[in-house]
Parts: sequence; C-alpha cells; structure tokens
Amino acid sequence: DGGITQSPKYLFRKEGQNVTLSCEQNLNHDAMYWYRQDPGQGLRLIYYSQIVNDFQKGDIAEGYSVSREKKESFPLTVTSAQKNPTAFYLCASRPHPQGNNEQFFGPGTRLTVL
Amino acid sequence: GDSVTQMEGPVTLSEEAFLTINCTYTATGYPSLFWYVQYPGEGLQLLLKATKADDKGSNKGFEATYRKETTSFHLEKGSVQVSDSAVYFCALTRSGGYQKVTFGTGTKLQVIP
Repeated sequence: DGGITQSPKYLFRKEGQNVTLSCEQNLNHDAMYWYRQDPGQGLRLIYYSQIVNDFQKGDIAEGYSVSREKKESFPLTVTSAQKNPTAFYLCASRPHPQGNNEQFFGPGTRLTVL
Repeated sequence: GDSVTQMEGPVTLSEEAFLTINCTYTATGYPSLFWYVQYPGEGLQLLLKATKADDKGSNKGFEATYRKETTSFHLEKGSVQVSDSAVYFCALTRSGGYQKVTFGTGTKLQVIP
C-alpha cells in the first residue's frame, strides 16, 4: 500500500540533545512538508521541499533542520536550539507543489523533551 | 495573505444530531478548499474537497459547498455518530505557481451517546 510512514511514533529526548524524525513516502510525490502541532492548536509549517535537493523554511524554522537527498525521504532534525520542542510532528506530501492537489499526511511523531 | 477561519470548539452534540462547522476564507484568485479530519493521536486524513465555486464535496455523509459569494465552505452532516468525534480542519490552496496549504486552527467535535 502506498503511504507515508513516520518513525518513531513516540520519542523522548533529554534537553540539549539533537534528535531526528524520519519521514518516508512511497507515493512518488514531489513535495514534502513538516508541520508542528501543539495541544489544541492548528498546524504550523516548519519546512517544505518542492523537489529533491531543495527545501525552504516555513513559518517556524528556527531550531530545526531538514534534508531532501532522496525523493522518498525528508528527515527533520530538532536541534538543541529549539526552545520548546515538545509537540506532535506531522509529515505530509503532495503530488506536485503547484496546483490544487491535496496533501497526504503521515501518522505523526510525538516528541517529548525530558 | 491567505487565511482560514473556523468556528471555535469544542462542539458537543448528541448522537444523531445535525452538525455544522463553519469555515470562511480569505484568498485571492480561485482557491481549492478542503476538509481534513484528525482522530486522536493520528495524522490528518482528507475528508472532502471542492476545487471551484458551487462545487459540493461529499464523503461518509459529510458535505460542504464552495460558496464564493460568501467565501465559505461550511461542513455539514445530517446525523452524527460517536465515531465522528475528532478534530476537523478546513484548508485551502491556490493554483498557479507554488502555493502553500493554509489550515484553519481546527474544531474539535465530541459526540455523546
């Protein structure tokens, strides 16, 4: 089945540590996205990528980094510079970055900083 | 810039009640409109969409009509079930060049037996 996988589902990190969240899609989509969701809040865009080897900052990129070396993979690193990283992180993809096509979402990773 | 405004939640309904969740938008041109649903602890799933004015999206008993004159895309269901309890997000994207997807803040629906 085609879809988006995120791992791990739950992640615990000590303060001062970097951590990488995985996102893989086998939908052959060009565009991929990372969102952050806080309790009772909407989605905030962290980074997005329209094509392999290219990515742009979203609305809240500070303290995060990404790479897009392969079409199917878009890992997100939460660095120690992120002041309040505890949140639910959602990865999404879209067939094309242009046009009116919808986004497809992964199941999410819940990150807790201890 | 683009924006989506949803009614504040939570919305609490009894089973078999009629549901309306309001959504209005601000965008230039002719955006496409979406409703997504998020069940507890999960990612978002597309519920329905409409790509032009007067289109009606429908799925699983939910409906929404793209009203350009009122810039609205209200979600409705005639008879809700306990299993419909979730958070519902309204969203839009515009065609023409790269466009981000703009989401509303979400409306939590709780259906009680």
